[in-house]
Amino acid sequence: DIQMTQSPSSLSASVGDRVTITCRASQDIRNALVWYQQKPGKAPEVLLYAASRLQGGVPSRFSGSGSGTDYTLSISSLQPEDFATYYCQHYYSTPTFGQGTKVEIK
Amino acid sequence: EVQLVESGGGLVQPGGSLRLSCAASGFTFSNHVMNWVRQAPGKGLEWVSGISGSGDDTGYADSVKGRFTISRDNSKNTLYLHMNSLRAEDTAEYYCAKSRCSGGGCQSIFDYWGQGSLVTVSS
Repeated sequence: DIQMTQSPSSLSASVGDRVTITCRASQDIRNALVWYQQKPGKAPEVLLYAASRLQGGVPSRFSGSGSGTDYTLSISSLQPEDFATYYCQHYYSTPTFGQGTKVEIK
Repeated sequence: EVQLVESGGGLVQPGGSLRLSCAASGFTFSNHVMNWVRQAPGKGLEWVSGISGSGDDTGYADSVKGRFTISRDNSKNTLYLHMNSLRAEDTAEYYCAKSRCSGGGCQSIFDYWGQGSLVTVSS
């Protein structure tokens, strides 16, 4: 199986900050990557798929980039509702998730 | 509106069995690959199993292969997960999740999720 490594595992940031989370696959996944946001007690929700395509209804402050094995989720200006845990997941083959990045209030 | 509602979770002893159900509505159920994804308390997400729209093709994570069986009843718009030989490490919230499908087929992009059903394996 393809392994997904996310970093950092957690970060503290302030409202208005730019935040970047990275995800590295153990082999080329050809942009078959999705990013989810999960809030406590809730199911995950899709933010972006195909590495950079914004899911309908997701604010444009979220963006994704990358290729090959290395991918990035960016939040341009962190809002109060963005404090959550973020997961990457590939769908190139049997799906696997990164371990998650918890974004906390500084 | 797409809705996925899981049921059937609870407390079970190690070695025991349980069946989860997921009632789907708001989309053409038989056209979509469906999945189970689990999350142990305080931990990350793990894909458990998936099934094609017809039910003919299934896949499993190595951690549950041979113990869990996924199935579906398209006449009832319901997805199932039959879990046998349960272990403490199977304790988790189990989510039913729909794969995103388009003209080109379905991909393991889980665009809708249920609220989850908690399975606790403990003596």
